[in-house]
Amino acid sequence: DIQMTQSPSTLSASVGDRVTITCRTSQGIGTWLAWYQQKPGKAPKLLLYGASSLDTGVPSRFSGSGSGTEFTLTISSLQPDDFATYYCQHYHSYPWTFGQGTKVAI
Amino acid sequence: EVQLVESGGGLVKPGGSLRLSCAASGFTFSSYGMNWVRQAPGKGLEWVAAISSSGTYTYYADSVKGRFTVSRDDAKSSLYLQMNSLRGEDTAVYFCARGHQLLQPWGQGTLVTVSS
Repeated sequence: DIQMTQSPSTLSASVGDRVTITCRTSQGIGTWLAWYQQKPGKAPKLLLYGASSLDTGVPSRFSGSGSGTEFTLTISSLQPDDFATYYCQHYHSYPWTFGQGTKVAI
Repeated sequence: EVQLVESGGGLVKPGGSLRLSCAASGFTFSSYGMNWVRQAPGKGLEWVAAISSSGTYTYYADSVKGRFTVSRDDAKSSLYLQMNSLRGEDTAVYFCARGHQLLQPWGQGTLVTVSS
């Protein structure tokens, strides 16, 4: 199984900050990586897929990069609505696995 | 509007069984693979199972293999998860999610608590 290592686990930031979250995989997955946002008590929401493609309606302040085993999610200017937990997920081969999550807090 | 609504959660004793359902609407259910993902209280996401659009292929996490069975009824636009031999570590909110690889959208989840 492919292991996912996401860092940091918690990130303290302020509105307007540039935020970067890293996801590393135990083996190369090309760009078969997605990022999700989850707010407390809510279902996750897909943000990016293919490592760098924004899902429909996702603000352009979100961006993703990487391939192989190292990936990043960047929020260029943190907005109040962005305080949430973010997860990476690979879909290279079953079983799908998620990173441990990064909570972005004030 | 695409909608997924889970049901069937509740309190069950260790070793017991439970069947979760996910009712889909707003899209052609039979055209999509479907998934179950769970989240233990205060923890991260864990993919549990998937079923292909045809229903021919099913996939499971090692943690549930042999105990859980995913199925679908396209006539009812419904996804199911039969959970047997439940353990305390199966306690979680269970989400259904549409997609073969990408999971979008998700339902609101149903809570399963395994406790004596």
